[in-house]
Amino acid sequence: SYELTQPPSVSVSPGQTARITCSGDALPKQYAFWYQQRPGQAPVLIMYEDTKRPPGIPGRVSGSSSGTTVTLTISGVQAEDEADYYCQSTDINGIVVFGGGTKLTVL
Amino acid sequence: EVQVVQSGGGLVKPGGSLRITCAVVGMSLSNAKLNWVRQAPGKGLEWVGRIKGEADGGTTDYAAFVKGRFTILRDDEKNTLDLQMDSLKTEDTALYYCLVGAKWGQGTLATVSS
Repeated sequence: SYELTQPPSVSVSPGQTARITCSGDALPKQYAFWYQQRPGQAPVLIMYEDTKRPPGIPGRVSGSSSGTTVTLTISGVQAEDEADYYCQSTDINGIVVFGGGTKLTVL
Repeated sequence: EVQVVQSGGGLVKPGGSLRITCAVVGMSLSNAKLNWVRQAPGKGLEWVGRIKGEADGGTTDYAAFVKGRFTILRDDEKNTLDLQMDSLKTEDTALYYCLVGAKWGQGTLATVSS
């Protein structure tokens, strides 16, 4: 079955830049979406179609794509950015697939 | 603004059944991308199943671990999405989310325990 691979954890100091990667063989052909999940809350969409920000998501959050890897970049990391981040895409049949999630820790 | 509100769930013994309903306001479900996702305690997100839009035949697909036990239903008149869960196992204990497009419900806990 199709898999998306994320690093389990990323740690950065406040003000630095956090980069979270997501790798999958179908990513050159299928869009990626990113969700932020704070403790005890439902996930929230923060990036769609690889690089597009929904309304209300700050400009310091960006997405990029290169080959089989998509990257979520958070510049000027703040304490409120500490959360779990999940990438999501679809396989060739349109079935939803999630990455394993990345815990972002703000030191 | 689209609002997604879940209800149902609860505590059931192994082999029992539960139903979770997702009520949506602000958009029609008839041709929306509708998925169910679950999250076991302390774990990541796991896709459970989907129902296609009416224009695509309204067919369903399920993850291998729930096939034959779970059923996804859409009611276009009520604008609701249901997840009927039968023959539940302890490993089905999780928070269950409906995902309407990219909008998540608040999550509903289903606990399977003797």
